[in-house]
Amino acid sequence: DAKTTQPPSMDCAEGRAANLPCNHSTISGNEYVYWYRQIHSQGPQYIIHGLKNNETNEMASLIITEDRKSSTLILPHATLRDTAVYYCIGGNTPLVFGKGTRLSVIA
Amino acid sequence: GAVVSQHPSWVICKSGTSVKIECRSLDFQATTMFWYRQFPKQSLMLMATSNEGSKATYEQGVEKDKFLINHASLTLSTLTVTSAHPEDSSFYICSAMDFQPHTDTQYFGPGTRLTVL
Repeated sequence: DAKTTQPPSMDCAEGRAANLPCNHSTISGNEYVYWYRQIHSQGPQYIIHGLKNNETNEMASLIITEDRKSSTLILPHATLRDTAVYYCIGGNTPLVFGKGTRLSVIA
Repeated sequence: GAVVSQHPSWVICKSGTSVKIECRSLDFQATTMFWYRQFPKQSLMLMATSNEGSKATYEQGVEKDKFLINHASLTLSTLTVTSAHPEDSSFYICSAMDFQPHTDTQYFGPGTRLTVL
């Protein structure tokens, strides 16, 4: 699995877009980029994943650079309920979790 | 879709007793399930991988005789913590894999908080 680097914490104003970066410079060609989030005392929630192309679903957008060494998760309109630890994982199953980014959405 | 449940959500037991945690995939069949453990203020740590009908594969440092895993059906895996001690107190989270045509996605249960007195 690729080693990922994420900022330990970020703040975002409610209603604004939250852009969470992730570096995964050692990712190999067949490894996906997965994003999960964990709200306090709950199991991780799947958000989105991608291989090469940008992806969008009802929760978020995933932008992967052309060299695949980094990606950005975008929550288009952050709400207070988006406050959580966000994990970026570069690899295939079983997923190995790093420390993630603690996102605080502020009213 | 892709819902994973766990039971119980929390359990308190005395030192030396055994505790069983169930993990179910509710709306899909999961030939592969995973068990993770999370200590306070730490990230998830993979404990073992279980495949339906075969023995589980444990990560280095995880005692297979202490953490018994049974994956008897395509929708149920159980983790039994045998002779539990206070240091086994943790948040145990299971994950089931939903095989997709071009990728696999892991879905996680809500977790079980174990407190050993």
